[in-house]
Amino acid sequence: EAEVAQSPRYKITEKSQAVAFWCDPISGHATLYWYRQILGQGPELLVQFQDESVVDDSQLPKDRFSAERLKGVDSTLKIQPAELGDSAMYLCASSFSGQETQYFGPGTRLLVL
Amino acid sequence: AQSVAQPEDQVNVAEGNPLTVKCTYSVSGNPYLFWYVQYPNRGLQFLLKYITGDNLVKGSYGFEAEFNKSQTSFHLKKPSALVSDSALYFCAVRVMGYSGGYQKVTFGIGTKLQVIP
Repeated sequence: EAEVAQSPRYKITEKSQAVAFWCDPISGHATLYWYRQILGQGPELLVQFQDESVVDDSQLPKDRFSAERLKGVDSTLKIQPAELGDSAMYLCASSFSGQETQYFGPGTRLLVL
Repeated sequence: AQSVAQPEDQVNVAEGNPLTVKCTYSVSGNPYLFWYVQYPNRGLQFLLKYITGDNLVKGSYGFEAEFNKSQTSFHLKKPSALVSDSALYFCAVRVMGYSGGYQKVTFGIGTKLQVIP
C-alpha cells in the first residue's frame, strides 16, 4: 500500500539553527500539505501545494519558514532560524486533489532546545 | 468562521460498551465532514467522511458517524469498543480557502479516547 514518506522522524536542534524536513507524497497525488501539530492540539495547516504552486500559505510564518515543491512531487519545509516555540510535530499529507481524502505521513517530531 | 468543535477533551469507556465521540460544525453551505484517528507518535489515519447521501456513514475498523443537519453534529460511534481503539480522534471540515478558488480542511482540537479493559 502506497504511503506518504517523511524524514527525519525525529530532530533535535538548538534555537537559531536551521532545520529542514522532507516529504514524498503518494504517487499521483497533486495536492500536498504541511501541517504543524502542537501537543494537545489539532493539526494546523501551514502550506498547501497544488502541483508546484502554493495555494495557501496564510498561516506560514514567512519570516522564518519556507516551503517548496519544485517539480510538483516531493517537498521540503525549512525553518531558519528555529525558535523554542517551533517544537511540534510536523505532518505532511497528500491527496489526489484538494477535495479528496488526505493521507498522512508519520510526521517529524521537532524539539528545539 | 467555519470550524468544528470537539467539546470533550477525553472520553472513557469500558471495553465492549458502545462509544460516542462528539463533533459539531459551523459552516456556510453544505458541509464536508471527516473523522481521522491518530495513534501515539504517528500521523493521522482517515476513518470516514460525509459528503452527501445517507446520514449514517460507515468507515474503517467498525466505526460509523451520524450526520445531523438540524443539530449541526457529526458524532463518531462504535457499537462495541476495543482496547486497541484507544487513540486521539479528530473531526475535520472542508472549507473554502481564504482567497476562494480552492478548498482546505480545518481540524478540531481532538478527543482522547481511552478504552478501559
